[in-house]
Amino acid sequence: SAVISQKPSRDICQRGTSLTIQCQVDSQVTMMFWYRQQPGQSLTLIATANQGSEATYESGFVIDKFPISRPNLTFSTLTVSNMSPEDSSIYLCSVYRAGYTFGSGTRLTVV
Amino acid sequence: QQQVKQSPQSLIVQKGGIPIINCAYENTAFDYFPWYQQFPGKGPALLIAIRPDVSEKKEGRFTISFNKSAKQFSLHIMDSQPGDSATYFCAASIGAGGTSYGKLTFGQGTILTVHP
Repeated sequence: SAVISQKPSRDICQRGTSLTIQCQVDSQVTMMFWYRQQPGQSLTLIATANQGSEATYESGFVIDKFPISRPNLTFSTLTVSNMSPEDSSIYLCSVYRAGYTFGSGTRLTVV
Repeated sequence: QQQVKQSPQSLIVQKGGIPIINCAYENTAFDYFPWYQQFPGKGPALLIAIRPDVSEKKEGRFTISFNKSAKQFSLHIMDSQPGDSATYFCAASIGAGGTSYGKLTFGQGTILTVHP
């Protein structure tokens, strides 16, 4: 399976600011997935990032709020923009290689 | 159509017991069913996965039972240990692997506690 490095592991941010989360994979992958896990909840897909094209967003998630970059086949970023306390969650990236593998997540707290 | 329903929400067993977690789905296009284990502060880790052409799969102490006609699948943990205490998620996707990669739809999660 793939090894995923995600940064930062946690952050506390002021409302109205933005945070960019980085996801680095140890091998080239076609698609990278970004999930949100709200406190005590399950995982919900935010968007799918394919290298060289615009990310595909799930219902309820928009590009202005969660812009995604995918500059190459091993790296992606997710930005959480204009944050509010409701954005406090764990954000996870995932790739498929012999099964879907997840990063360790970014625990975001917005105050 | 895209929902995966998981039960129970929480489960407490004694060491050596066999906890069973159940999931049900509606979308018959789902063709990949993984289970994940998540410890606090960690990302989900893949435990075991099954495709609908088999009815059971075992890996170590973990077994998936799959009932295609009932659209249900379950996770059994044999000889459970306190270290198995974690949150378990079932999931489903369409077209995982191969040339198309489906997104995962997750169940609601089950908090398992194994007492010593």
